[in-house]
Amino acid sequence: AQKVTQAQTEISVVEKEDVTLDCVYETRDTTYYLFWYKQPPSGELVFLIRRNSFDEQNEISGRYSWNFQKSTSSFNFTITASQVVDSAVYFCALLSGGYQKVTFGTGTKLQVIP
Amino acid sequence: GAGVSQSPSNKVTEKGKDVELRCDPISGHTALYWYRQRLGQGLEFLIYFQGNSAPDKSGLPSDRFSAERTGESVSTLTIQRTQQEDSAVYLCASSLHRKGADYNSPLHFGNGTRLTVT
Repeated sequence: AQKVTQAQTEISVVEKEDVTLDCVYETRDTTYYLFWYKQPPSGELVFLIRRNSFDEQNEISGRYSWNFQKSTSSFNFTITASQVVDSAVYFCALLSGGYQKVTFGTGTKLQVIP
Repeated sequence: GAGVSQSPSNKVTEKGKDVELRCDPISGHTALYWYRQRLGQGLEFLIYFQGNSAPDKSGLPSDRFSAERTGESVSTLTIQRTQQEDSAVYLCASSLHRKGADYNSPLHFGNGTRLTVT
């Protein structure tokens, strides 16, 4: 079985603050993939990043960065200098090599206050 | 227009009626998923199709729900005798999953069908 836990249901920050969204996953497979998706108020789901289990390098893309730690089964997402446009629900997801089905966390709603 | 297309975008139906939701995946995508998202909630897995393999129906909430997919093309999700609790956005996603090969392609989502059961 596979499971994704996003313990933070809602987070509010003031614009320009940094914020980290937590994601903890469970899988028995050694080959797996982790994803983050953004769902803005308009509703469409936007793919942000994919990471495979063999690559523990952290990744930075502009104001976004991801910290993948296999030792703690976590794949956390940090937004630096948050902006109002970052307000959305963010979903973490897992695809295990043997399971062939993407499992989503329950999402974290981020509100950036101007 | 190479994205995942869902129709209708909105559907209002009376309790007890049947509804059919359609999903056109991205051409060439072998995997197709249906998810349900109730207002303010997360994504609830319903069903997964992968190529010609038997679908994973483990997420279907009741026998009123069924889905079909012809080959690697269009899929339809049917809800029979709709109930008010079925009101939600139904999201379809497709991706390229090939066992042993390009296994990690992300899901591409459609814009969903908003179903309201009155």
